[in-house]
Amino acid sequence: SQQGEEDPQALSIQEGENATMNCSYKTSINNLQWYRQNSGRGLVHLILIRSNEREKHSGRLRVTLDTSKKSSSLLITASRAADTASYFCATTGGAGSYQLTFGKGTKLSVIP
Amino acid sequence: EPEVTQTPSHQVTQMGQEVILRCVPISNHLYFYWYRQILGQKVEFLVSFYNNEISEKSEIFDDQFSVERPDGSNFTLKIRSTKLEDSAMYFCASGQESNQPQHFGDGTRLSIL
Repeated sequence: SQQGEEDPQALSIQEGENATMNCSYKTSINNLQWYRQNSGRGLVHLILIRSNEREKHSGRLRVTLDTSKKSSSLLITASRAADTASYFCATTGGAGSYQLTFGKGTKLSVIP
Repeated sequence: EPEVTQTPSHQVTQMGQEVILRCVPISNHLYFYWYRQILGQKVEFLVSFYNNEISEKSEIFDDQFSVERPDGSNFTLKIRSTKLEDSAMYFCASGQESNQPQHFGDGTRLSIL
């Protein structure tokens, strides 16, 4: 079954620095999505990139997708303390399957 | 901004008891999902629901689980006879289209004693 696996598991940076998180998966996908989860809260959708796209931007977020390597990266530029959260990649497969398959996530701490 | 709401936020239940978790999806969404997250583990898919029937379910979603959309607004997950290992955060999600972002509620923390 397909899986998203993020690395690093934990990342600690200073406010203003950029944060890069990576995700790998195993099988073909329809799209790949990134979600954020603040402690004790639900998942908030950040960005979706389709399998035929290579890069996407949304505000301070930049996502890349390399389907040949089955990997994606999420870059958060000019990080803020409010970006402190866990970040998950999730994939959807083909053939009418739209369930999200999540990785274990990267816990990002942004130090003011 | 419209959001998915889940009740209760925390449910404590004795093992063997039935529990119903409730969700109100975003009103114009057509696709509904349940996921769970055991403490320290990945978020896992349970079931998806469209057009008043289950469209996909995982191996976790066995005979003790059921879902229902009893009216035009609520979407419920029932666990018939709870086990200790059912303790987890349960998230409801909804989406406007099948291959679009899913919008999650804040979850129900289910604790089985």
